[in-house]
Amino acid sequence: GESVGLHLPTLSVQEGDNSIINCAYSNSASDYFIWYKQESGKGPQFIIDIRSNMDKRQGQRVTVLLNKTVKHLSLQIAATQPGDSAVYFCAGNTGGFKTIFGAGTRLFVKA
Amino acid sequence: DGGITQSPKYLFRKEGQNVTLSCEQNLNHDAMYWYRQDPGQGLRLIYYSQIVNDFQKGDIAEGYSVSREKKESFPLTVTSAQKNPTAFYLCASSRQNTGELFFGEGSRLTVL
Repeated sequence: GESVGLHLPTLSVQEGDNSIINCAYSNSASDYFIWYKQESGKGPQFIIDIRSNMDKRQGQRVTVLLNKTVKHLSLQIAATQPGDSAVYFCAGNTGGFKTIFGAGTRLFVKA
Repeated sequence: DGGITQSPKYLFRKEGQNVTLSCEQNLNHDAMYWYRQDPGQGLRLIYYSQIVNDFQKGDIAEGYSVSREKKESFPLTVTSAQKNPTAFYLCASSRQNTGELFFGEGSRLTVL
């Protein structure tokens, strides 16, 4: 079946360093990918998205890379700050109403 | 401000009781969703609704029921048939047939 998975359940980085969170997916038909950030006790919030006809998209301090050949995407956070501490989910969508979520990576930022 | 409101934020119920979680949105979105989140797992789709008076089962619909009588509202009932109802429940909405989901703050249900 379809799956979207994250490589590491936790990631610890030093404040000011760059963070890279990885994600793999199995469904080649997925044409839209989204990264969400979830802080403790709250609902997920949209960070950045990317369509399958792109391989890179940049936002404010965040970059998403998509490698369709190996079905892999990553979220890069520049100059990681304590406020970036959260669980990050990648999600894939085939254009309909069903979005498949990965298990999430918890990012810890050390001061 | 536009957004999605879930209530209650915390809920305790005895085993065997039905419980209804509220979800209201003022974003004028057509589609609404209910997800369940368990520790260490991704979000799993319970039910979704593309339009008023219509809804479809997601991946884990057994033991749950929904209604969509108004565009703004999509309540979820956790019935006594749900074997393991203790979880964090998230409601979301989206514009018609687009991928970005807007989530509420969640409702944490604990069954004693």
